[in-house]
Amino acid sequence: GDSVTQMEGPVTLSEEAFLTINCTYTATGYPSLFWYVQYPGEGLQLLLKATKADDKGSNKGFEATYRKETTSFHLEKGSVQVSDSAVYFCALSATPGTYKYIFGTGTRLKVLA
Amino acid sequence: EADIYQTPRYLVIGTGKKITLECSQTMGHDKMYWYQQDPGMELHLIHYSYGVNSTEKGDLSSESTVSRIRTEHFPLTLESARPSHTSQYLCASTAGTGVWNTEAFFGQGTRLTVV
Repeated sequence: GDSVTQMEGPVTLSEEAFLTINCTYTATGYPSLFWYVQYPGEGLQLLLKATKADDKGSNKGFEATYRKETTSFHLEKGSVQVSDSAVYFCALSATPGTYKYIFGTGTRLKVLA
Repeated sequence: EADIYQTPRYLVIGTGKKITLECSQTMGHDKMYWYQQDPGMELHLIHYSYGVNSTEKGDLSSESTVSRIRTEHFPLTLESARPSHTSQYLCASTAGTGVWNTEAFFGQGTRLTVV
């Protein structure tokens, strides 16, 4: 079945460091891919998305490219801030008709000043 | 900004009590979901609905039940709470009849503690 695998955390970085959080997926069809962010005590918010191969989603300095050949959707940011400290979830929309979303296990990011 | 609301935000309740977690959205979305989030952060789908009078069980077995009498409202009920029900519960909705790749909007969650 469809699945998402993302790197385990926690990830601890200094402010202005480069961030990469790896995400790979398996899917029978052509899913859309998402990154969600969860700040402490909150629900999830959409960070960015990509709906087809080679699409690049971007928002707030974060980027991720839909790589069909490597079945990956890695999240990157060139210079993290303390305010980026949160939990990040990679997700895909499952096979059409089911309307279900598959989430990765989440990666906690802590950015130190 | 997402217009999906959950109440209460925090609930501490004794074992054996009946509870209802409320979830409402004002976006007119057909599809709504309940997730249980464990302390390790992983999300588990416990219920979902494709529209009024439609409810399905999710991937994780749950003793809770849901109803969908109105499009905007998707409450979750536990008839007899137990300490094992202690968790964070997240409600979500998505738009699009026939569209399956739209984003999901989440409420802020209800943190339930059963003592």
